[in-house]
Amino acid sequence: ILNVEQSPQSLHVQEGDSTNFTCSFPSSNFYALHWYRWETAKSPEALFVMTLNGDEKKKGRISATLNTKEGYSYLYIKGSQPEDSATYLCARRAGSYQLTFGKGTKLSVIP
Amino acid sequence: KAGVTQTPRYLIKTRGQQVTLSCSPISGHRSVSWYQQTPGQGLQFLFEYFSETQRNKGNFPGRFSGRQFSNSRSEMNVSTLELGDSALYLCASSPSTGELFFGEGSRLTVL
Repeated sequence: ILNVEQSPQSLHVQEGDSTNFTCSFPSSNFYALHWYRWETAKSPEALFVMTLNGDEKKKGRISATLNTKEGYSYLYIKGSQPEDSATYLCARRAGSYQLTFGKGTKLSVIP
Repeated sequence: KAGVTQTPRYLIKTRGQQVTLSCSPISGHRSVSWYQQTPGQGLQFLFEYFSETQRNKGNFPGRFSGRQFSNSRSEMNVSTLELGDSALYLCASSPSTGELFFGEGSRLTVL
């Protein structure tokens, strides 16, 4: 993996379904992995910053896990609601001060 | 606490002109970074400043420049505008914990 890659690119789920997305990144020179939620017409909003292998973070119905050895992170949403509709971005920070973003997963929750 | 403020929010320029975008970070945040988003692309890192020093620069031509003032406010400048510079430019400030707090962006259209 040379870049930060996210899958799927988009998905549609029914209200109440649980869902998850994947972020893959280069495992070398790893410093931190960020997740952001970007709703239409708003600014991206930070969800989690994770640094340690095996980290698990939770905020309400949203949680994330991190595997730095194999270079992936999962974002889970339990019981999706229409207000969860957004693009979810992950970003990797290496030793430098810049974040490299994936192209995002666009989630649409159908009422 | 006031959020990140970017001005102007929208602007239209013609090819060959130059543009200056401004960003006021959250009070107390010393790091300011800039990102470009174009259709189909993820957020592309432009540069990051900390205490008036550029710590990192993305892979953009020299037409893109920036600076940070002693009050942490930042500006970015694009000279000799090209059609491909049409994009949403996002500024983000960051505390020591590392997560980014984004502004609402400046949408530039180059005709």
